[in-house]
Amino acid sequence: EIVLTQSPATLSLSPGERATLSCRASQGVFIYLAWYQQKLGQAPRLLIYDASNRATGIPARFSGSGSGTDFTLTISSLEPEDFAVYYCQQRAIWPITFGQGTRLEIK
Amino acid sequence: EVQLLESGGGLVQPGGSLRLSCAASGFTFSSFGMGWVRQAPGKGLEWVSAVSGSGDSTYYADSVKGRFTSSRDNSKNTLYLQMNSLRGDDTAVYYCAKSELGRWYFDLWGRGTLATVSS
Repeated sequence: EIVLTQSPATLSLSPGERATLSCRASQGVFIYLAWYQQKLGQAPRLLIYDASNRATGIPARFSGSGSGTDFTLTISSLEPEDFAVYYCQQRAIWPITFGQGTRLEIK
Repeated sequence: EVQLLESGGGLVQPGGSLRLSCAASGFTFSSFGMGWVRQAPGKGLEWVSAVSGSGDSTYYADSVKGRFTSSRDNSKNTLYLQMNSLRGDDTAVYYCAKSELGRWYFDLWGRGTLATVSS
């Protein structure tokens, strides 16, 4: 199965700063990668699909890039509500797999 | 309103069974693949299973293959997960999720139901 490795495990930043989260796949997944946000006690929310497409209702400060094995989620200017856990997910090859998550915390 | 509502979780002994249900509303259920994703306490997300819109195709994680069965009743707008031979490491919140049209990403999630496997 494809292993997705997210880094860093924890990212400590302040509101207004730029966040850069990484997801690396153990083999190429083309552009078939998504990003989710999960807040404590809530279900995940789809942010980005096919590497760079924002899902419905997602603010423009969220952007995704990458292809093959290396992907990035960027939050251009952090809002207080953005502090959460972020997961990547690939759909290129069964089984579907998720990364282990990056916790974005307030510095 | 577009929503998914899971039910059927609870406490079960190792080796036992549970059947989870997910009631969908607000969209054309039969047009979308559906999935189950679980999250053990304090852990990350783990994909469990998926089923196509027609129900003809099903997919499973290796960790549950042969023990769990996904199915759907499109006349009732309901997704099911039959879980047999349950183990302690199956303890998790189980989320039902709707796939995005034509792609196996999940753009709508339920609130989850907790299944606890313990003696």
